[in-house]
Amino acid sequence: AQSVTQPDIHITVSEGASLELRCNYSYGATPYLFWYVQSPGQGLQLLLKYFSGDTLVQGIKGFEAEFKRSQSSFNLRKPSVHWSDAAEYFCAVRTMDTGRRALTFGSGTRLQVQP
Amino acid sequence: GAGVSQSPSNKVTEKGKDVELRCDPISGHTALYWYRQSLGQGLEFLIYFQGNSAPDKSGLPSDRFSAERTGGSVSTLTIQRTQQEDSAVYLCASSSGTSGWGELFFGEGSRLTVL
Repeated sequence: AQSVTQPDIHITVSEGASLELRCNYSYGATPYLFWYVQSPGQGLQLLLKYFSGDTLVQGIKGFEAEFKRSQSSFNLRKPSVHWSDAAEYFCAVRTMDTGRRALTFGSGTRLQVQP
Repeated sequence: GAGVSQSPSNKVTEKGKDVELRCDPISGHTALYWYRQSLGQGLEFLIYFQGNSAPDKSGLPSDRFSAERTGGSVSTLTIQRTQQEDSAVYLCASSSGTSGWGELFFGEGSRLTVL
């Protein structure tokens, strides 16, 4: 079964600093990969997704992620963090060749932004 | 409505009571998902509906949990004989497309507290 690992439970960065959130997945075939953000008191919002093609994908709010098949990773990056980026970030995977259509989510990384 | 609507937003119940949580998906979305988010945990898949197909119930944690989707639209998640470990935020999501591969749009969740 597919699984998703987000090794960092909590990350603190200074406003304006760069950010990288790690995500590793466990699955043998080509997955569909997603990053969602959950702001306090709000539902999850899709930041970006990777299905195929260019391994560097751009998302909303200035985020990008790079799919690296050799490392089974899909890390999320942002060059300059804003205070409003403080939230919880979830990586998710969905596979193409199983009957399961639901997303499998990682346990999340909580981002704190210092002024 | 414009987004996925869930009710109630908060529910406090006593151990042993039954609860019903409602999800109204985005109009026209054929796929509907229920997830559970426990404190400090990622999202745990519960059940998936796609059109008129038999639902994928593989994530339901026990036979106390059940869900139905009437008329291909509104869904109700029922938890019978609630236990304290059922306390969590229950999230509903919907997506478009017959294959269910589209982006998931999440509601804000129903927070269940079992005393």
